[in-house]
Amino acid sequence: AQTVTQSQPEMSVQEAETVTLSCTYDTSESDYYLFWYKQPPSRQMILVIRQEAYKQQNATENRFSVNFQKAAKSFSLKISDSQLGDAAMYFCAYRSVTSNTGKLIFGQGTTLQVKP
Amino acid sequence: DAEITQSPRHKITETGRQVTLACHQTWNHNNMFWYRQDLGHGLRLIHYSYGVQDTNKGEVSDGYSVSRSNTEDLPLTLESAASSQTSVYFCATSPRVGGELFFGEGSRLTVL
Repeated sequence: AQTVTQSQPEMSVQEAETVTLSCTYDTSESDYYLFWYKQPPSRQMILVIRQEAYKQQNATENRFSVNFQKAAKSFSLKISDSQLGDAAMYFCAYRSVTSNTGKLIFGQGTTLQVKP
Repeated sequence: DAEITQSPRHKITETGRQVTLACHQTWNHNNMFWYRQDLGHGLRLIHYSYGVQDTNKGEVSDGYSVSRSNTEDLPLTLESAASSQTSVYFCATSPRVGGELFFGEGSRLTVL
């Protein structure tokens, strides 16, 4: 069974600086999707970025980018020019393509604090 | 705009009572999911459905049931609420198997 691990329960960053959130996963599959979701205090789950495992190029969405290391099974999220609105809990998630069930497997989450 | 509506947003109940959390979506998505969120565990899948009359168990399904009588609704029922079921519950949908999930705003349930 696939697992997702976020080893940093809490992180903090100074406003305007860069922070990287770590995520590792375990799978025997070769094709899958990886996601980062943001959960602000409102509790709403917001998709930040997605990566297809068959793509070598790292996904980027404005100030958010990933470092996808398939061999190492690592999928970190980099937030550049951090803003106060980035303060939230961030979840890494895995979805199998092979089993094609549509289920997402989530990590435990990392709470990001942004200091003014 | 299409949306996912969960109700109630907050509920307090007593051990042993039956509780139903509603999820209504206007996305017209076939796939619907129920997750629970607990500190230190992230989100864990309870039940899911790929269409009308289809339901499947997730990794933490004990004590929960769902039914899918139409495309729009997937109510989650706790037959006999237990304190271990105190949690935040999220309903999610996706347009196709394997697509990204769209989430409702969550329902906080407290079982005393």
